[in-house]
Amino acid sequence: KQEVTQIPAALSVPEGENLVLNCSFTDSAIYNLQWFRQDPGKGLTSLLLIQSSQREQTSGRLNASLDKSSGRSTLYIAASQPGDSATYLCAVSGYGGATNKLIFGTGTLLAVQP
Amino acid sequence: NAGVTQTPKFRVLKTGQSMTLLCAQDMNHEYMYWYRQDPGMGLRLIHYSVGEGTTAKGEVPDGYNVSRLKKQNFLLGLESAAPSQTSVYFCASSSRDPAVMQYFGPGTRLTVT
Repeated sequence: KQEVTQIPAALSVPEGENLVLNCSFTDSAIYNLQWFRQDPGKGLTSLLLIQSSQREQTSGRLNASLDKSSGRSTLYIAASQPGDSATYLCAVSGYGGATNKLIFGTGTLLAVQP
Repeated sequence: NAGVTQTPKFRVLKTGQSMTLLCAQDMNHEYMYWYRQDPGMGLRLIHYSVGEGTTAKGEVPDGYNVSRLKKQNFLLGLESAAPSQTSVYFCASSSRDPAVMQYFGPGTRLTVT
């Protein structure tokens, strides 16, 4: 069974710091990996999607990498801002051949202190 | 462009009552999903649909039923609510292309007493 783990569960950093969030998965036979952001009491906002054939994707201050063989992904946030404070979730698809079904990690709660 | 909307936003039920959660999307997406989010458990897929008139079970389908009578709507039903169904429910939609991300609604917070 595919399991997705995110460590740490919570992280607090001062404004301006560069930071890395980690995501690991047990079965490397994935189709893609997605990173989401969730603000308190709100839905999920899509950040980045990396297909299994790709190594990384970038959007603004965000860079996500994927090492499928080792079952790991990282989300790098450059020059963090208080507005980046949220829970960050990663999810993988492709388990059992189902390209559209996502399996989520439990998230990392990020607090960026002004 | 509203994206994915969910009705209602909050609901309190008593054990044994029934209710239907409505999800609507205006992006002409083929695929729609229902998830539940519980503390420490992450999001788990309840049911999903790959097209109008089709539904399939996800990871935690017991106690729920779904219907997709129109392409833009996906309904989640609880026939006899139980306290274990207290959760936040999210609807999502996506195109048929698996390289495209899923879009999520704002969620429905359900409490069963």
